[in-house]
Amino acid sequence: EDQVTQSPEALRLQEGESSSLNCSYTVSGLRGLFWYRQDPGKGPEFLFTLYSAGEEKEKERLKATLTKKESFLHITAPKPEDSATYLCAVQALYSNYQLIWGAGTKLIIKP
Amino acid sequence: GAGVSQSPSNKVTEKGKDVELRCDPISGHTALYWYRQSLGQGLEFLIYFQGNSAPDKSGLPSDRFSAERTGGSVSTLTIQRTQQEDSAVYLCASSFGANQGGYTFGSGTRLTVV
Repeated sequence: EDQVTQSPEALRLQEGESSSLNCSYTVSGLRGLFWYRQDPGKGPEFLFTLYSAGEEKEKERLKATLTKKESFLHITAPKPEDSATYLCAVQALYSNYQLIWGAGTKLIIKP
Repeated sequence: GAGVSQSPSNKVTEKGKDVELRCDPISGHTALYWYRQSLGQGLEFLIYFQGNSAPDKSGLPSDRFSAERTGGSVSTLTIQRTQQEDSAVYLCASSFGANQGGYTFGSGTRLTVV
């Protein structure tokens, strides 16, 4: 069964304390893996797309990496405004549009 | 428009009543998706519209749920005879086409069935 598991469920960090979020996936052929950020009361906001193992994408303090089984979202020297829930989703080769979503990691950055 | 617009933002309804949720996608986006988000769970796919093609309704949880998209733009999700388990946030997203993955989401409609 295709599935996406994110860990940890919640992560509390001090401002400036770097860490990583994990997204493990099992899918019969990966078309793409996507990271989104979701703020309370808002819809998810697209961050990155990764297509193949070894690929990396960066945006400000965030860097996403991909292997054949998992993806990491590395957060370097986070600020309180990075606090949000981070969602991971995968698209299988057999699907033209459906995404399989993880439950998310709630990140809290304390000043 | 500048983004995906959903209305209402909040809806409280009595069990057994019908509700309509509206989504106005980004102009020019041919693909439109409805998802449901429950606390602590991943987004659940409901329905997908692409241009003038027949929609993929495979994610609709029961025949109480239906959706339409008029003129390739605005979409309405209708839930008939609402049940308490229908309480969730209903999210709409749009994209230029399929295979995009990088959807633009609206802020959602929080539905509470009492």
